[in-house]
Amino acid sequence: TQLLEQSPQFLSIQEGENLTVYCNSSSVFSSLQWYRQEPGEGPVLLVTVVTGGEVKKLKRLTFQFGDARNDSSLHITAAQPGDTGLYLCAGWGSGTYKYIFGTGTRLKVLA
Amino acid sequence: NAGVTQTPKFQVLKTGQSMTLQCAQDMNHEYMSWYRQDPGMGLRLIHYSVGAGITDQGEVPNGYNVSRSTTEDFPLRLLSAAPSQTSVYFCASSADSRSGYTFGSGTRLTVV
Repeated sequence: TQLLEQSPQFLSIQEGENLTVYCNSSSVFSSLQWYRQEPGEGPVLLVTVVTGGEVKKLKRLTFQFGDARNDSSLHITAAQPGDTGLYLCAGWGSGTYKYIFGTGTRLKVLA
Repeated sequence: NAGVTQTPKFQVLKTGQSMTLQCAQDMNHEYMSWYRQDPGMGLRLIHYSVGAGITDQGEVPNGYNVSRSTTEDFPLRLLSAAPSQTSVYFCASSADSRSGYTFGSGTRLTVV
C-alpha cells in the first residue's frame, strides 16, 4: 500500500508569516499534485510536479518535488487569511492507476 | 463548462436502505474515481475506473459497487447503508495518469 504522509497535520499562524508543508512517502511517484480544499467544496488542483528536483512557483506558493520523487514540499511566503484551508498532496503511484491522497494539512492564517 | 456533476448534494438514508450516487463528467476523461471524506480527514479512495467497462477497488471498497458503462458516467451504489458510511462523497475525473483530478462538489450523506 502506497501512503502519503503530510506534516504538520495542523498549522495556525499569523498573517505575514512563512510556512512549509511536507509530503512524504516510502514509494516513488510518477507525479505529485497539490490541492487546496475549502469547507463544503471539493479539492481544487494547484500544481503538478513531474520531474525529480522540479520547483514550481504559483504567486506566493513554491512547490518542490524531491530528487527521488518520493517527497514534496509546499512553501507559502507571507501567508494571508485567504490561504486558510486544507492542503492535500496526491499522486499516482508507479505501476498503479490508483490515485491516492495525503493525510492533509489544515492551515489557518489569522489576521 | 459543467465539469464533474454530482447528484444529489444531500441525502439522508435509513440503515439498510440502498441508493445510487450519480456522477457525470463532460470532459471526455478516461479516469474517474470515488472518494469519501470523513470530518477533518483526508480523502480515501473507494473505487476507480480507467475507462468504460473497467473498474477496480480502492482502499475502502466494502459496501460499495460501481459500474462504468459510458465514458461520461460513473455511479456509486451503496448496497445496504450503515451509519459508518455517513460521509461526504466526491467523484473526480482525470485525463490521464500524470494529471491531477477535477472534482465534483460532493454529496453529503447521512445514514441514521
